[in-house]
Amino acid sequence: AAGVIQSPRHLIKEKRETATLKCYPIPRHDTVYWYQQGPGQDPQFLISFYEKMQSDKGSIPDRFSAQQFSDYHSELNMSSLELGDSALYFCASSLGRGSSYEQYFGPGTRLTVT
Amino acid sequence: ILNVEQSPQSLHVQEGDSTNFTCSFPSSNFYALHWYRWETAKSPEALFVMTLNGDEKKKGRISATLNTKEGYSYLYIKGSQPEDSATYLCAFGDQAGTALIFGKGTTLSVSS
Repeated sequence: AAGVIQSPRHLIKEKRETATLKCYPIPRHDTVYWYQQGPGQDPQFLISFYEKMQSDKGSIPDRFSAQQFSDYHSELNMSSLELGDSALYFCASSLGRGSSYEQYFGPGTRLTVT
Repeated sequence: ILNVEQSPQSLHVQEGDSTNFTCSFPSSNFYALHWYRWETAKSPEALFVMTLNGDEKKKGRISATLNTKEGYSYLYIKGSQPEDSATYLCAFGDQAGTALIFGKGTTLSVSS
């Protein structure tokens, strides 16, 4: 069965650079979520999209932006990177909007900022 | 601030032992409680989604219960096997939206 695809799997950037993370949801899933997991931390919700519109916003810094495209894939754009942005970034998708829907997670993108 | 607590933080058992973990969450505005199994270098795998007080769900040797009035859920593993070694995450969803609030997880290690 198709799963959530994230690219790249690993990314190394320097401070003040920009990064773009991509997420391809499971086919027919209409909701995409982004989570950030810092070292030793639990995953923190950043932002979600439902039917290509922003649905909910969590602790996403103003330096980050995201969108969901017509083919339902999503991109997380991160600018002016800081050391503290080093984390594992998960994307998840669900068929339906709401916290009672099962969220299927991708393998994550590990971002290292040096 | 919504807080999800899991205990214990880590656990080491012998093959064949049965074990259980606890997830505590806010009892107000409850909407859903998720359990995930997360193996190193893999994606978190959804185990259960529970929405009703008193829900009990089972998948093979793993089962979970839910008490929304007092704000806790238990995950049980019967006859632990080495392949059960993983971090088990619970996540709380409230009525406001789509975000899940995760606990820090319980890391289980099963020795053969």
